[in-house]
Amino acid sequence: AQSVTQPDIHITVSEGASLELRCNYSYGATPYLFWYVQSPGQGLQLLLKYFSGDTLVQGIKGFEAEFKRSQSSFNLRKPSVHWSDAAEYFCAGPLAAGNKLTFGGGTRVLVKP
Amino acid sequence: GAGVSQSPRYKVAKRGQDVALRCDPISGHVSLFWYQQALGQGPEFLTYFQNEAQLDKSGLPSDRFFAERPEGSVSTLKIQRTQQEDSAVYLCASSLAGGAGNTIYFGEGSWLTVV
Repeated sequence: AQSVTQPDIHITVSEGASLELRCNYSYGATPYLFWYVQSPGQGLQLLLKYFSGDTLVQGIKGFEAEFKRSQSSFNLRKPSVHWSDAAEYFCAGPLAAGNKLTFGGGTRVLVKP
Repeated sequence: GAGVSQSPRYKVAKRGQDVALRCDPISGHVSLFWYQQALGQGPEFLTYFQNEAQLDKSGLPSDRFFAERPEGSVSTLKIQRTQQEDSAVYLCASSLAGGAGNTIYFGEGSWLTVV
């Protein structure tokens, strides 16, 4: 079945340290892929998206993600985390025809001072 | 408007009560989506409109859930005879056009608690 999987439910990182969030997809063709961030009590904000072309995608707030077809992955990274990055992060893709998004279960990021 | 606007932001309903949740998409956006997000989980697709046409309602969990977008702009999600399992955040989203490559913008959600 077509799906998006985020293997890590929680990640704790120290402020200033690097962050990597994992996302794996199961889909026959090259998918479109998105990363969204959700702060407590807020809606989803788009961080970045991959459509085609360059496999390293730059987003807002200093985030980047790399699409790796061989690993069916689209991992999100940030070199130096700020306390304001504490939130829940969702990977998503329109895995079926049309632009209906399928979301992963999310990864909650906690930032230690 | 500048973003997707949803109301009410918070709703407490007694079990069995009907509720209506409103979504005002970004001006000019053709596509509109409703998602349900249970506590601690990712959003789950409910239904999709292109203009006033409801093209996909495969995610609606039961016939108690009904959505409409009569003039192709504002949409309402109605839940009849609410049950406790309906407690969730209901997210509305819109995109400029249909098709898998279009960015989908989300509202802040309507938080429904059924008691």
